Formats: sequence, structure tokens, C-alpha cells
Amino acid sequence: GAGVSQSPSNKVTEKGKDVELRCDPISGHTALYWYRQSLGQGLEFLIYFQGNSAPDKSGLPSDRFSAERTGGSVSTLTIQRTQQEDSAVYLCASGRDFDTGELFFGEGSRLTVL
Amino acid sequence: AQTVTQSQPEMSVQEAETVTLSCTYDTSESDYYLFWYKQPPSRQMILVIRQEAYKQQNATENRFSVNFQKAAKSFSLKISDSQLGDAAMYFCAYRSGYTGTASKLTFGTGTRLQVTL
Repeated sequence: GAGVSQSPSNKVTEKGKDVELRCDPISGHTALYWYRQSLGQGLEFLIYFQGNSAPDKSGLPSDRFSAERTGGSVSTLTIQRTQQEDSAVYLCASGRDFDTGELFFGEGSRLTVL
Repeated sequence: AQTVTQSQPEMSVQEAETVTLSCTYDTSESDYYLFWYKQPPSRQMILVIRQEAYKQQNATENRFSVNFQKAAKSFSLKISDSQLGDAAMYFCAYRSGYTGTASKLTFGTGTRLQVTL
């Protein structure tokens, strides 16, 4: 695709339910990030995939959060037993070259937990 | 771990004027990259400008330029001839020159720029 695609763009769920957020990076990009952004706030790093390296999971806030990247392409962020404090916009970004370091961001998935 | 600090939560500039957004970072590395990203209200982040640490010359992209002071670990963004479309959140970011997941991009907390008539 032309850019990073995220789905769903909006998700409303009830507390305690599980949700899955999907990210389709730009084809050929080896780096993939997930960030969380609360209303009007900065970016909170969640997880980073880079090629075949073990992912950096140091930003995942609890064991309710997990992410995988299949075949070095599509990534899914899963939040189990959602809580109201999980409400935020979840941003995915991918990068092509190590040298340039530029990231291309999707439009995000807005999660609302009632 | 590297840290990126943006000490100005909000800034305001009049249309056609110049504004400078501040960013400092902390690192023990000599090889790294610095970035400014813009997030307009539509929320999609886009790259504004990039600086390689090994380059002494400050990067410039049209109305956007940086003042990179490596010894001071400072990386400010100057926006000249500000336009209404420049209104956005601006994030400073650092990336190590190492490979693999050590090259994680670290963002500052952002500066919200308002542009007034």
C-alpha cells in the first residue's frame, strides 16, 4: 500500500473485553513501532520490531498487552481485559532504512473503553 | 538510556513571524540521528526535518531549519515565515546509530504550536 494502514480507526469496547489492533506497514519496511498517545499528550513507546531481532517490549505497560509481527510484515497489538485507562490512540509506524531513520506513521486506532 | 526533553509545552507565533522550538537530549553515543516530527490535528505524524550527528552543517528544509549544537546536546527547530498550517504538535526525536532494536526512536513530550493572525 501507499502508506501505513491501521484498523480499526475507531474501537469502542466494554471494560474487560479483549481488543486487537492491526497495523499494515509499508511493504519492505523492516522496522515497526507501536506507540500510545493519550488525548493531547506525547507518545508513549510500547514495542519495537526490527527485522529478525528480538523485539524491544520494554514499553508494554502490563502483561495484558502483547504484540506480534507475522512474516516480518503485519503486526497485531492485543489488549486483554481492557481497562478504562487503556483508552487512547494507538499509533503504528514503520521505517525502511536504517540509515535514514525516518518513520512513516499510520493515522492511528482510537480505543475507547467504557 | 537516551532521553529527549522539550521544555516548552506550548508556543505561540504570529503568522509570518519566526519561532524557535527547543529540544535537548542526553546520550553518551557519538553516532546518532535527530528528528523533528509534526502532528497536525488530523493526527498523522509526518517528518519535518532530520539531522545526522556526524554532519556539522545544520539541516534546512524550506522554511524549517535546525540549530544543532552537538557539544551542548541541543537541537532546536526554527520555523520562518510561519503559516496557519504550521499549527500542530511538534515532537523532537533521537535515534541511536546502532543497529537492531538498539536503534529505537525516542520521542520528547512535544510542543504545541499555535499560529495566530
